[in-house]
Amino acid sequence: AQSVSQHNHHVILSEAASLELGCNYSYGGTVNLFWYVQYPGQHLQLLLKYFSGDPLVKGIKGFEAEFIKSKFSFNLRKPSVQWSDTAEYFCAVNGAGTASKLTFGTGTRLQVTL
Amino acid sequence: GAGVSQSPRYKVAKRGQDVALRCDPISGHVSLFWYQQALGQGPEFLTYFQNEAQLDKSGLPSDRFFAERPEGSVSTLKIQRTQQEDSAVYLCASSSRDKSNQPQHFGDGTRLSIL
Repeated sequence: AQSVSQHNHHVILSEAASLELGCNYSYGGTVNLFWYVQYPGQHLQLLLKYFSGDPLVKGIKGFEAEFIKSKFSFNLRKPSVQWSDTAEYFCAVNGAGTASKLTFGTGTRLQVTL
Repeated sequence: GAGVSQSPRYKVAKRGQDVALRCDPISGHVSLFWYQQALGQGPEFLTYFQNEAQLDKSGLPSDRFFAERPEGSVSTLKIQRTQQEDSAVYLCASSSRDKSNQPQHFGDGTRLSIL
């Protein structure tokens, strides 16, 4: 069975600090990987995705993630966070091919202080 | 353009009542998913439609849960004889093609509270 593990449940950073959120997955096959963000009071939005090619993926708002196949990891990074990045971040995986369900991690709540 | 629309946003029901949750996907989107999100958890898959066909219902927790998408657009998730453990946010997502690498676009969800 596929699973996703997010190591950090709650992260507090000051503005301009660097961010790295961990994500490890377990899946027996070729995968697609996603990071979604949920800002307070809003719906889940796609930050970035990886399905093939360059393992370093750039997304919106300066976020990036690196797929390391040997480590089954897809960590999210941002060099300098802003107060507006305060949100909940979810890593998700599905199997490559036809449309399939996403398996999500439990999420990481990021709080950025001024 | 319009996103995924879910109604109602909030639903309070007494234990034992039946509820129906509606999802209006993005126009033209082939794939539609339902997820359940408990407090402090990530969304968990319930069921998947490709057009009007329900191709995967492996995540439905019991036979009290039923979903349909009769004309391949609007979908309804019905929960019969609700129980307290059904309290959660129910999310609907749609994607444009029947490909797993297509991003799923989520609605705001319906927050269901069972008293």
